[in-house]
Amino acid sequence: GQQVMQIPQYQHVQEGEDFTTYCNSSTTLSNIQWYKQRPGGHPVFLIQLVKSGEVKKQKRLTFQFGEAKKNSSLHITATQTTDVGTYFCAGNTGGFKTIFGAGTRLFVKA
Amino acid sequence: AAGVIQSPRHLIKEKRETATLKCYPIPRHDTVYWYQQGPGQDPQFLISFYEKMQSDKGSIPDRFSAQQFSDYHSELNMSSLELGDSALYFCASSLGKAEQYFGPGTRLTVT
Repeated sequence: GQQVMQIPQYQHVQEGEDFTTYCNSSTTLSNIQWYKQRPGGHPVFLIQLVKSGEVKKQKRLTFQFGEAKKNSSLHITATQTTDVGTYFCAGNTGGFKTIFGAGTRLFVKA
Repeated sequence: AAGVIQSPRHLIKEKRETATLKCYPIPRHDTVYWYQQGPGQDPQFLISFYEKMQSDKGSIPDRFSAQQFSDYHSELNMSSLELGDSALYFCASSLGKAEQYFGPGTRLTVT
């Protein structure tokens, strides 16, 4: 069945360093969404990418969708302690079924 | 702004019992999703409804059933509960296939 792999599983950074998490799908996606989940909280929607090669920015966050629509990345520039949490990608192949990656848990040391 | 409401927030049941989880989507959202999240794991898609019809099915056990009612709220019914069913259950709502807004979750503990 459809799988979405996400790496790394954990990332420890010093405040001010950059951070990147990568997702790779076993099948071509119609769209990919990114969510952030704080410890004890619920997933919060960050962005949705639909077009091949799409790049979107939200302040210090940059999201990319691969040309083949099978991979995606989230890059955070100059991390802050408020960035801590788990970042999930979630892929969709056209229906409503949404497959989440395993998530990357980000730790930021002040 | 109104968010997704889930009830109850916490539920403790014994093995072989039955549980019902409720979800009230954001007003005017026509799609509801149910997810199961174990400790340290990603949300696992269980089932979704679009305009009160089941739209997609994931890894939902046969012991579980769900429906979406005329007022768009949804209920997840879980029978013959097992220890392994202990998890956080999230409901999310959306407009069609747009971004999903998650509720606070129901923490189910089966003893």
